[in-house]
Amino acid sequence: EPEVTQTPSHQVTQMGQEVILRCVPISNHLYFYWYRQILGQKVEFLVSFYNNEISEKSEIFDDQFSVERPDGSNFTLKIRSTKLEDSAMYFCASSVARGYEQYFGPGTRLTVT
Amino acid sequence: AQSVSQHNHHVILSEAASLELGCNYSYGGTVNLFWYVQYPGQHLQLLLKYFSGDPLVKGIKGFEAEFIKSKFSFNLRKPSVQWSDTAEYFCAVPSTGTASKLTFGTGTRLQVTL
Repeated sequence: EPEVTQTPSHQVTQMGQEVILRCVPISNHLYFYWYRQILGQKVEFLVSFYNNEISEKSEIFDDQFSVERPDGSNFTLKIRSTKLEDSAMYFCASSVARGYEQYFGPGTRLTVT
Repeated sequence: AQSVSQHNHHVILSEAASLELGCNYSYGGTVNLFWYVQYPGQHLQLLLKYFSGDPLVKGIKGFEAEFIKSKFSFNLRKPSVQWSDTAEYFCAVPSTGTASKLTFGTGTRLQVTL
């Protein structure tokens, strides 16, 4: 069964450093998403991506964040200058169509020290 | 904006007990609804979904949910839980926006004891 994959599984970085989280969505899906889950809290939406552009973003997704689909298979989330409060589990998800179920990757645990 | 409420934050049950987890959503129009499960140390997995039709939907591992439009509810049920059902359960609703981001409830941590 096709699945969403994410790398790395765990990333430790120092405050102020740039990180890139990578995702490979399911191949025939058209909608891509990033969510994050701070320890003990609920899953929060960050950004959605469709037709090679951002379709929606949350207030969390400020100028420090960016997304890209560089080669038709990968979907990346970049944080330019990490802060302590960016420490969280970041999940990538994809969906075949708008409003349909989203399939989640295993997540990247980002730890900012 | 769409919102989702899960009123049970932590539920402890013995094996073979019946389960019902509440979920209420705010949007009154046509809505798709999902339950996701997150087993310890694992990622979110789709448990079941409702798009239209029969309001009683069946999912994986013996779970079912009932959509009651008049109550804006989509409660998750299982007649007899197993120890392996220990997990966190999230109700989710897609927004009506461009790409239908999911809005999640706060989750219910289910602990099943032997």
